[in-house]
Amino acid sequence: DGGITQSPKYLFRKEGQNVTLSCEQNLNHDAMYWYRQDPGQGLRLIYYSQIVNDFQKGDIAEGYSVSREKKESFPLTVTSAQKNPTAFYLCASSPPGAGGGETQYFGPGTRLLVL
Amino acid sequence: AQSVTQLGSHVSVSEGALVLLRCNYSSSVPPYLFWYVQYPNQGLQLLLKYTTGATLVKGINGFEAEFKKSETSFHLTKPSAHMSDAAEYFCAVTDSGGSNYKLTFGKGTLLTVNP
Repeated sequence: DGGITQSPKYLFRKEGQNVTLSCEQNLNHDAMYWYRQDPGQGLRLIYYSQIVNDFQKGDIAEGYSVSREKKESFPLTVTSAQKNPTAFYLCASSPPGAGGGETQYFGPGTRLLVL
Repeated sequence: AQSVTQLGSHVSVSEGALVLLRCNYSSSVPPYLFWYVQYPNQGLQLLLKYTTGATLVKGINGFEAEFKKSETSFHLTKPSAHMSDAAEYFCAVTDSGGSNYKLTFGKGTLLTVNP
């Protein structure tokens, strides 16, 4: 079955620690995205990548980093510089298209909690 | 900058009643519009989207939405609510030109269905 997997489902971070959230897709999509969801805030874009080895900052990139070494994978690192990391993190991907409006398909999410 | 406003963070209806979830957007260019649904602790699933063509869009699970350019609205409706419709609903918009990979989300509307 094609889809997007995120791991782990729950992740605990200690003060000063960097943690990495995994996102893998087997949909052969070029574009991938990371969103942060907080209660009552909707989804906010952290980073996105339109192609391998290229990515752009979204609206709330401070304290986060990403890499895109493979088409299938787009890991997100939450660094110690992110002072309020507790949130639900969602990864998404979308197929290529010249006109835009392509549907973004979402993974099941990772909930990050601070110890 | 684009923005999306979902009127009512919480909507409660009785089973069998009409569901109406409101979405207004601001965009300087013709938009592409989306409605997503999220069940607790899960990712988002596309309900329907408008890109071009017919302004009344039909989606999954009996939902539909109408793009009204003059009112900058894209309200979601369903004639008869079912218990399984209880979830959070998000409206999103992207520009038809420029950075059309970037979705801007509303803050969401939580739908409760009472027996």
